[in-house]
Amino acid sequence: AQSVTQLDSQVPVFEEAPVELRCNYSSSVSVYLFWYVQYPNQGLQLLLKYLSGSTLVESINGFEAEFNKSQTSFHLRKPSVHISDTAEYFCAVGFSGGYNKLIFGAGTRLAVHP
Amino acid sequence: DAMVIQNPRYQVTQFGKPVTLSCSQTLNHNVMYWYQQKSSQAPKLLFHYYDKDFNNEADTPDNFQSRRPNTSFCFLDIRSPGLGDAAMYLCATSRPQGTASTDTQYFGPGTRLTVL
Repeated sequence: AQSVTQLDSQVPVFEEAPVELRCNYSSSVSVYLFWYVQYPNQGLQLLLKYLSGSTLVESINGFEAEFNKSQTSFHLRKPSVHISDTAEYFCAVGFSGGYNKLIFGAGTRLAVHP
Repeated sequence: DAMVIQNPRYQVTQFGKPVTLSCSQTLNHNVMYWYQQKSSQAPKLLFHYYDKDFNNEADTPDNFQSRRPNTSFCFLDIRSPGLGDAAMYLCATSRPQGTASTDTQYFGPGTRLTVL
């Protein structure tokens, strides 16, 4: 069975500091990997995704994530965070033959402090 | 702007009293999903529609039903809500563009259900 583990439920960080949100998955079949972000009182929005090709994927607002097959990880990073990055971040896995199904992690709440 | 809309944003019901949550979309997407998200837990897929084709997850309780009268609307019916059904309910949509598992899902803001 497939599963997703987000190792940190909360990550506090100061503005302009780097951050890494960790995500590990378990699957016996090929996977597709996603990061979604949820700002307060809003729905989840796609931040970035890995389908194939280059293992490093980037978002338009400076986040990046690297697919590491040997470590079954898809950690999200940003070299310098802003107050506006405060949100909940969800890692999700879609899998070959999964027919539209995503398995989500429990989320990591990123709190950026001035 | 094209979007996914959920009504109401907050719903309070009594134990055992049927309740219906609504989702509408202006994206004209084929697939609509319902997720249940309990506090500090991952969103959990209940079921989804691919056009009119209903796909129920194996572990979704019978207490949860869904209707999709047309492309734009999808409803979640909870026939006899229990205290354990209090959660955020998320609606999402997607447009298949190849391998289904690669599709981006577009989420509404959710409906928070309280059961008294």
